[in-house]
Amino acid sequence: QVQVVQSGSELKKPGASVRVSCKASGYISIGYGMNWVRQAPGQGLEWMGWINTTTGYPTYAQGFTGRFVFSLDTSVSTAYLQISSLKAEDTAVYYCAPSGDYFFKYWGQGTLVTVSS
Amino acid sequence: QSALTQPASVSGSPGQSITISCTGTSSDVGAYNYVSWYQQDPGTAPKLMIYEVNNRPSGVSYRFSGSKSGSTASLTISGLQAEDEADYYCSSYTTTNSWVFGGGTKLSVL
Repeated sequence: QVQVVQSGSELKKPGASVRVSCKASGYISIGYGMNWVRQAPGQGLEWMGWINTTTGYPTYAQGFTGRFVFSLDTSVSTAYLQISSLKAEDTAVYYCAPSGDYFFKYWGQGTLVTVSS
Repeated sequence: QSALTQPASVSGSPGQSITISCTGTSSDVGAYNYVSWYQQDPGTAPKLMIYEVNNRPSGVSYRFSGSKSGSTASLTISGLQAEDEADYYCSSYTTTNSWVFGGGTKLSVL
């Protein structure tokens, strides 16, 4: 059974950085992508992009370039989302979800990032 | 990539059927049969309900079904139950090797 476990909630001040981790265990198809999805308070789901777990190559959706970085540590099967120069509008729940196919069967539990002074 | 278009809300009485539409373009919904639907209860992660237009994962009730015509996909829930009350999102793979979600639909069971 696949499990996807994310790091806990974060409270950060504007201008700071945050790193969210996402560990996948169990069988997932070779060469899967780890996707990141943002959900702002009271809003819908927004696909941020993904990182190829075989090549480490990241792809960012429009609006998520520059301050957002996807990375991997394959030795511990963990993906990371780093957001720098945090702004109040980055306050959201961030989900990771592996995609071996063209849908998201498994999801992390979500990580709430709150940006407030 | 613009979000797929869903109605903000739909409602129905127990036992009735409802349909949620999801309208995209020839670059996403209309391009492939890679439309999926997710159910989300407050404070929880989304749950896959339908994949590849009309396939149900193991454990999802037969009352949930999907279809597609052109650039519009639909999710139908038959025999509506109180437990179906949730937010529903459609998603599609796109011709730019990315994914796009719909804006979400709040289902109320009256």
